[in-house]
Amino acid sequence: EAAVTQSPRNKVTVTGGNVTLSCRQTNSHNYMYWYRQDTGHGLRLIHYSYGAGNLQIGDVPDGYKATRTTQEDFFLLLELASPSQTSLYFCASSDVWGVTNTGQLYFGEGSKLTVL
Amino acid sequence: QQKVQQSPESLTVSEGAMASLNCTFSDRSSDNFRWYRQHSGKGLEVLVSIFSDGEKEEGSFTAHLNRASLHVFLHIREPQPSDSALYLCAVNTGYQNFYFGKGTSLTVIP
Repeated sequence: EAAVTQSPRNKVTVTGGNVTLSCRQTNSHNYMYWYRQDTGHGLRLIHYSYGAGNLQIGDVPDGYKATRTTQEDFFLLLELASPSQTSLYFCASSDVWGVTNTGQLYFGEGSKLTVL
Repeated sequence: QQKVQQSPESLTVSEGAMASLNCTFSDRSSDNFRWYRQHSGKGLEVLVSIFSDGEKEEGSFTAHLNRASLHVFLHIREPQPSDSALYLCAVNTGYQNFYFGKGTSLTVIP
C-alpha cells in the first residue's frame, strides 16, 4: 500500500512568517498533489506535479509556492503566511493524473497550520 | 467548473440502521466518482469507486450512480460506531482535476 508521509503534523506561525510543509511518498508515484481543507469549502487543489522539477498550478494557488525535488518529495512553501492560510493541508500521490478508472489517490494524514 | 454538493451536512443514525448519503454534481459528462471517509485527525481513505450508472458494492458500502439526475449516493449497511466520520464525495471528468464536496458528518450511536 502506498505510503504518504507529511511533516510537520502541526505548525503555528505568525503573520508574515515562512513555512515549509513537506511530503514524501514511497511508492514511486509520478503525481503528487497539495490540497487544503477548510470548513465550508471541502478539499481544494493548490499545486500538483507530475515529476521531479515539474510544477502545475491548481485551483487556489495564490500565496503558495511548491517544489518537487525528487520523485518522492514535494514541498509546499508559504513565504509570507497570512491568517487566511490557516487550514488543514493534505498531500496526495497517484500513479496517474487525478482520478481515473485505474488510478487511485493516496493521502497523507494532514498538516494543521495555524497562522496567528 | 464542476460543482459538487453533499447532503445532509450531518447525519445521526443508530447502530445497525442504514445510512444514506447524497452527492450531486453539475457536469453530466463526469465519469469518475469516489467516496472517501475521513476519521477525525486522519487522512482520506477510499471506500468505493464507480464509473458507470448503477450500483457498486464494496463491503458494507454501496455507491449508486444516476448521471441523468446528477446524483451519486452512498449507502452504508449496518453502520457501526467506528463508521462515525466525515464522508466525502469526489467527482472527475476525464483527465482533469477532480472536485470534492464539503462532506457529510456521520455519527453512529450505539
